[in-house]
Amino acid sequence: QSALTQPPSASGSPGQSVTISCTGTSSDIGGYNYVSWYQQHPGKAPKLMIYEVNKRPSGVPDRFSGSKSGNTASLTVSGLQAEDEADYYCSSYAGSNTVLFGGGTKLTVL
Amino acid sequence: QLQLQESGPGLVKPSETLSLTCTVSGDSISNSNFYWGWIRQPPGKGLEWIGSIYYVGGTYYNPSLKSRVTISVDTSKNQFSLKLSSVTAADTAVYYCGRRPVWSGYHFDYWGQGILVTVSS
Repeated sequence: QSALTQPPSASGSPGQSVTISCTGTSSDIGGYNYVSWYQQHPGKAPKLMIYEVNKRPSGVPDRFSGSKSGNTASLTVSGLQAEDEADYYCSSYAGSNTVLFGGGTKLTVL
Repeated sequence: QLQLQESGPGLVKPSETLSLTCTVSGDSISNSNFYWGWIRQPPGKGLEWIGSIYYVGGTYYNPSLKSRVTISVDTSKNQFSLKLSSVTAADTAVYYCGRRPVWSGYHFDYWGQGILVTVSS
């Protein structure tokens, strides 16, 4: 099992939209609708933002949305705000009750 | 409000066994709706799933760590634990415990604050 592939960095200006990709294989992202996304601020624990590809936990702003096409999942942050600056990690079920994470993307709000 | 708290030594010598405990408050670890798991993050790097356990003892491990990992649960103390044997410097990381719903998507909805474990002589 290899880690999911994310771009190391992404950026956008306040109010803009930014999309972060997460690429896997047919054995993980492509095979199941079990993709999740986490936000992590420096020195803090990850926070669940999206689960099951496009579902938001209670309390997560609707500016955050998820999607999937084939072996690639995406997280879109609309109406960027300063507090959205953080690291973002994708995760996917990979069969046999195992979980894979991506390498993380640092989102900078310009 | 659910809280998870990791505890254990912050420094472990190479070749020894790393032992951590996660104490759950605000919910019973015997709640049949959840798995409990461990995730780690080396300094400046990404997240890595270590393994998960169900309260009756069913365990699932990352294949890359399986030979060295044991996760166990103590329902009487509302705790679950991680043991990682034969550690090296590559095992230096912040270790997080988390809760994973049984009936949906293999994600962790609650996380502990994390504990830094350094492997060094």
